[in-house]
Amino acid sequence: AQSVTQLGSHVSVSEGALVLLRCNYSSSVPPYLFWYVQYPNQGLQLLLKYTSAATLVKGINGFEAEFKKSETSFHLTKPSAHMSDAAEYFCAVSAVLDQGGKLIFGQGTELSVKP
Amino acid sequence: KAGVTQTPRYLIKTRGQQVTLSCSPISGHRSVSWYQQTPGQGLQFLFEYFSETQRNKGNFPGRFSGRQFSNSRSEMNVSTLELGDSALYLCASSLSNIQYFGAGTRLSVL
Repeated sequence: AQSVTQLGSHVSVSEGALVLLRCNYSSSVPPYLFWYVQYPNQGLQLLLKYTSAATLVKGINGFEAEFKKSETSFHLTKPSAHMSDAAEYFCAVSAVLDQGGKLIFGQGTELSVKP
Repeated sequence: KAGVTQTPRYLIKTRGQQVTLSCSPISGHRSVSWYQQTPGQGLQFLFEYFSETQRNKGNFPGRFSGRQFSNSRSEMNVSTLELGDSALYLCASSLSNIQYFGAGTRLSVL
């Protein structure tokens, strides 16, 4: 069984500040891990993915995440927040052996960026 | 390359009716998954189709069904609509374990 927990349903940062969105996962098999972003009235856009290669993963828009197996974590970071980063962010897991057809999502974290 | 296309974008139905949503995947993608997004339950997996066969299924009642055609396009059907079916329905197509999402169909049940 797999599950994802995102700590904090709302995170607020000032423009230029560090963004840290937390994600912990549970998986009985090697996982694939993903971060998606959703802007209002839109679908999900893939930010980055971990698929068992490098543990530090770089994504689009300056975001990165580090896979830490010992902590079962996959936190998302960005050194300097921009107003355009305000959106909802979802962490998701799928089983490597599941052929990628089923994602289990966390509850999401809404990021606000203050000027 | 065109992205995942979902039609229609918005739908309003009344209780008891049925509805069909359509999803055209990215060219070359053979897997299509469907998700329901609501404020209370978040994003929940409905089902996945690969080469016209249902390969994975979530925990939804039998009123929710789907199918996939030989060109990989997929449809999702909900029969006997309930108020609680009001949601954003997202379709994703995938290649090599990475899912790409469409903009969704927002269904309102009155």
